[in-house]
Amino acid sequence: EADIYQTPRYLVIGTGKKITLECSQTMGHDKMYWYQQDPGMELHLIHYSYGVNSTEKGDLSSESTVSRIRTEHFPLTLESARPSHTSQYLCASSDQGAGVYEQYFGPGTRLTVT
Amino acid sequence: AQTVTQSQPEMSVQEAETVTLSCTYDTSENNYYLFWYKQPPSRQMILVIRQEAYKQQNATENRFSVNFQKAAKSFSLKISDSQLGDTAMYFCAFMALTSGTYKYIFGTGTRLKVLA
Repeated sequence: EADIYQTPRYLVIGTGKKITLECSQTMGHDKMYWYQQDPGMELHLIHYSYGVNSTEKGDLSSESTVSRIRTEHFPLTLESARPSHTSQYLCASSDQGAGVYEQYFGPGTRLTVT
Repeated sequence: AQTVTQSQPEMSVQEAETVTLSCTYDTSENNYYLFWYKQPPSRQMILVIRQEAYKQQNATENRFSVNFQKAAKSFSLKISDSQLGDTAMYFCAFMALTSGTYKYIFGTGTRLKVLA
């Protein structure tokens, strides 16, 4: 399996709480991505990064924010969780410059906001 | 804009039989990659197979092979000798190298169930 990790794997939290979903990879990939996926459904890109200090919003509007201070770390933060944020969040990485054209995915964080 | 279409939301196949999942895409790019990913129930998304657009030869990985028709913009996945462990969501994905971005476009997925 790929060396990309996400914590926590499962999270149940109340409305209005601030949460940070962690994603780390040990492969030295320069590009990282966050997707939102309802169970068994399609993936929606919410954020991506092409390197340190580079972040962009994806195709799906999201109230979350991301940072990329270190190559290996790409956390996603929700300042005030709402029930509409209930979903699975997948982190992925790739490195086309190093010949890694496919994305490697983490195990996901399943978030439930009550 | 690039698009990826998977027209089969659900499919089933008997164990040991062969099944083909379809995928079509639309792009004006000439240099791109196509992928099939597998997402088993409650498990991690993993790469099944990758195809470089500049290669005419269809990619093969053990029981998995693709039928890549560049002119028709078609990229189907054939699973031979289906096994119960092949039960999963399968996503077709596209990534263009020349557009200046490195975003992956995913299809809506095909849920495959292998029947014992």
